[in-house]
Amino acid sequence: AAGVIQSPRHLIKEKRETATLKCYPIPRHDTVYWYQQGPGQDPQFLISFYEKMQSDKGSIPDRFSAQQFSDYHSELNMSSLELGDSALYFCASSLGTTSNTGELFFGEGSRLTVL
Amino acid sequence: GNSVTQMEGPVTLSEEAFLTINCTYTATGYPSLFWYVQYPGEGLQLLLKATKADDKGSNKGFEATYRKETTSFHLEKGSVQVSDSAVYFCALVRNTGNQFYFGTGTSLTVIP
Repeated sequence: AAGVIQSPRHLIKEKRETATLKCYPIPRHDTVYWYQQGPGQDPQFLISFYEKMQSDKGSIPDRFSAQQFSDYHSELNMSSLELGDSALYFCASSLGTTSNTGELFFGEGSRLTVL
Repeated sequence: GNSVTQMEGPVTLSEEAFLTINCTYTATGYPSLFWYVQYPGEGLQLLLKATKADDKGSNKGFEATYRKETTSFHLEKGSVQVSDSAVYFCALVRNTGNQFYFGTGTSLTVIP
């Protein structure tokens, strides 16, 4: 079965550069979530989109922005990168909001390293 | 507020030992509760879930019961295997929102 696809899987950037992560949800899933997981930490919710509109916002820095496109894929744009942005970024998708379905399907993550 | 507190690791067990990973939660309303598992280098995978009080989630020999009176959702397995070595995350989602709240994760290592 098709899963959540994230790209790139690994990304190395330098401080103050920009990075874009992409997420392709499971077909027919209309909700996308972004999470940031630092080394040895739990995933922290950044932002979510439902039907191409922002549905919830967590601890996403102002330097980051995201959107969901008409084909439901999502992109997370990160600017003015800092060393502390080095983390594993997970995308997850669901059909409808989790209050209805109660389950997220996660991608394998994009590992960002900022030097 | 909403939060999840789970037992700190790492936990090391011998194969066929009994496993318990404690999880308690604080939430407004009536959340759904989950256990996710993360194998090395992979994303989180749903292990089991329970959507209302007294529900028992089970999968692959793992079980957890939604206890509203103690606000707990402890994960148990009667006989662990080496292949169960992973990080386990307890999580909740409120019934009025779509934001998951994760615990800090418990690393389990099972040795032969």
